[in-house]
Amino acid sequence: EAQVTQNPRYLITVTGKKLTVTCSQNMNHEYMSWYRQDPGLGLRQIYYSMNVEVTDKGDVPEGYKVSRKEKRNFPLILESPSPNQTSLYFCASSFNTGELFFGEGSRLTVL
Amino acid sequence: AQRVTQPEKLLSVFKGAPVELKCNYSYSGSPELFWYVQYSRQRLQLLLRHISRESIKGFTADLNKGETSFHLKKPFAQEEDSAMYYCALSGRFGGTSYGKLTFGQGTILTVHP
Repeated sequence: EAQVTQNPRYLITVTGKKLTVTCSQNMNHEYMSWYRQDPGLGLRQIYYSMNVEVTDKGDVPEGYKVSRKEKRNFPLILESPSPNQTSLYFCASSFNTGELFFGEGSRLTVL
Repeated sequence: AQRVTQPEKLLSVFKGAPVELKCNYSYSGSPELFWYVQYSRQRLQLLLRHISRESIKGFTADLNKGETSFHLKKPFAQEEDSAMYYCALSGRFGGTSYGKLTFGQGTILTVHP
């Protein structure tokens, strides 16, 4: 089944403890991106990647890192999480920025 | 900077009534515009994009460059249309901001029986 898979789906962590949210797609998509969803603010793009080893900042990249070493994977790294990074995170992929296929979301709480 | 504004956080209509979800954008070049929908307990998914000029599930949206708007319309709302709707903007393929996708704040549509 064609899909975008994120892990973990739910995570509670503490300030400063590094964490990685993984994202994997099996559709051979070149484009992948990360978003955070917050009440009243909608979806905001964190980072995106046009292809392997090609990444660029979205609207809210501060406090996040990404890497794209393989086409199928696009992990989101929080080196030192803070409470203001508590959010619902979505990964998405596409052949272009047209029809995005989204993961189910990862709900992160930073205490 | 590119920006998308959805002025209504909540919109309620009765079944069979027309519905219009507003979307205004700010972008200096030629944008690509989309509507995405998230039904309860489902993943966010593409509803329609302006470049394809399709009608999906009875919804249409016309790009008005003069008013910088891309409002979503449906003449007769159905209960199953209840969902969160997001308007989104991207730069055109080959442009400098291609890949940077900006979403609006979202509008929750509730269709009452």
